[in-house]
Amino acid sequence: NAGVTQTPKFQVLKTGQSMTLQCAQDMNHNSMYWYRQDPGMGLRLIYYSASEGTTDKGEVPNGYNVSRLNKREFSLRLESAAPSQTSVYFCASRYNEQFFGPGTRLTVL
Amino acid sequence: QKEVEQNSGPLSVPEGAIASLNCTYSDRGSQSFFWYRQYSGKSPELIMFIYSNGDKEDGRFTAQLNKASQYVSLLIRDSQPSDSATYLCAVNPPPGGSYIPTFGRGTSLIVHP
Repeated sequence: NAGVTQTPKFQVLKTGQSMTLQCAQDMNHNSMYWYRQDPGMGLRLIYYSASEGTTDKGEVPNGYNVSRLNKREFSLRLESAAPSQTSVYFCASRYNEQFFGPGTRLTVL
Repeated sequence: QKEVEQNSGPLSVPEGAIASLNCTYSDRGSQSFFWYRQYSGKSPELIMFIYSNGDKEDGRFTAQLNKASQYVSLLIRDSQPSDSATYLCAVNPPPGGSYIPTFGRGTSLIVHP
């Protein structure tokens, strides 16, 4: 029972490059979330998926897209990375409480 | 807009003391409340949840809920240096509401030997 897994753990991109952050959960949760966390800013919701087949914008969706591939997997895509997207990204899944993945530390140069 | 407020700290307590962390929330219909601990460079992990008014104890941790005052607190007894972390308060939306929990920005706790 791995909980929530995320790949990669670390990534360095150049401005304008694209990448996809992968997230998977094995707890059979319907709801999944993508957050970013910056110093002093707390957790900010980027996108969420209430159930398989649905996705909705959160607080800071600009520059991101998501795909809920199936019940287990929820990916986050940066189409054209910008330095402002340098952050730590957490995926979470939820039935009642949230379970977080280990995070992806992304630097955009 | 739904809000969860926490004092950012840092809260500094000596080893062995009681650390008291507080949180207020704005949505009166909320029914589920959570405390997460986040060590530097790590992801948040759930340490306590509480649904009913009153106290809930788990080892050295006690969560307290007062729905009339819209107030949740976390007490850590016999604080240890290993408790030094940021503590996030989270509130679920009311049943039938959105799917988005609301997080406070967290309180930094420092336990010094």
